[in-house]
Amino acid sequence: AQSVTQLGSHVSVSEGALVLLRCNYSSSVPPYLFWYVQYPNQGLQLLLKYTTGATLVKGINGFEAEFKKSETSFHLTKPSAHMSDAAEYFCAVSIMERDDKIIFGKGTRLHILP
Amino acid sequence: DGGITQSPKYLFRKEGQNVTLSCEQNLNHDAMYWYRQDPGQGLRLIYYSQIVNDFQKGDIAEGYSVSREKKESFPLTVTSAQKNPTAFYLCASSRQMNTEAFFGQGTRLTVV
Repeated sequence: AQSVTQLGSHVSVSEGALVLLRCNYSSSVPPYLFWYVQYPNQGLQLLLKYTTGATLVKGINGFEAEFKKSETSFHLTKPSAHMSDAAEYFCAVSIMERDDKIIFGKGTRLHILP
Repeated sequence: DGGITQSPKYLFRKEGQNVTLSCEQNLNHDAMYWYRQDPGQGLRLIYYSQIVNDFQKGDIAEGYSVSREKKESFPLTVTSAQKNPTAFYLCASSRQMNTEAFFGQGTRLTVV
């Protein structure tokens, strides 16, 4: 069965600094990978996804993630943090079997320091 | 606009009462899900449904029940058997089980 680990339940970065949120997955077959964002008292919103093809995936709000098979990673980055990026971020994994569920990581709360 | 609608946004329940949370989607998705979210615990899967008239228990189904009589609707009932029901509940849907999920805005349930 697949699993996903997000390193760091809380990450703080200064406004304008690089954002890096780490996600590692475990899967015996090629994965589908997702990043979601959740603002307080709201549902999750899809930031970006990787299924097949280009390993560098661009999403909304200036975020991107790179699928690295050799490292089993799918880290989320943004070159310059903005105050509005403060939220909780979830990494998720599924596989190509259509009956298999998406598995979510436990989330990383991103704090932006002025 | 297409999407998922959860209602109500806030719900208060007295101990010992059952309460039903609504979830409707107009995305024509086959799969629907209910998650519970507590501070610091991420998302925990309560129930999911791959198709109409079929549903499966998730990781924390005890004290909850669901139905899937229509493709668009997947209501969740929190029964009096749920010992600690105060939480944020999220409904989601996806075209099929392994594709990206779309979430509603959530219902915050408080037991008073």
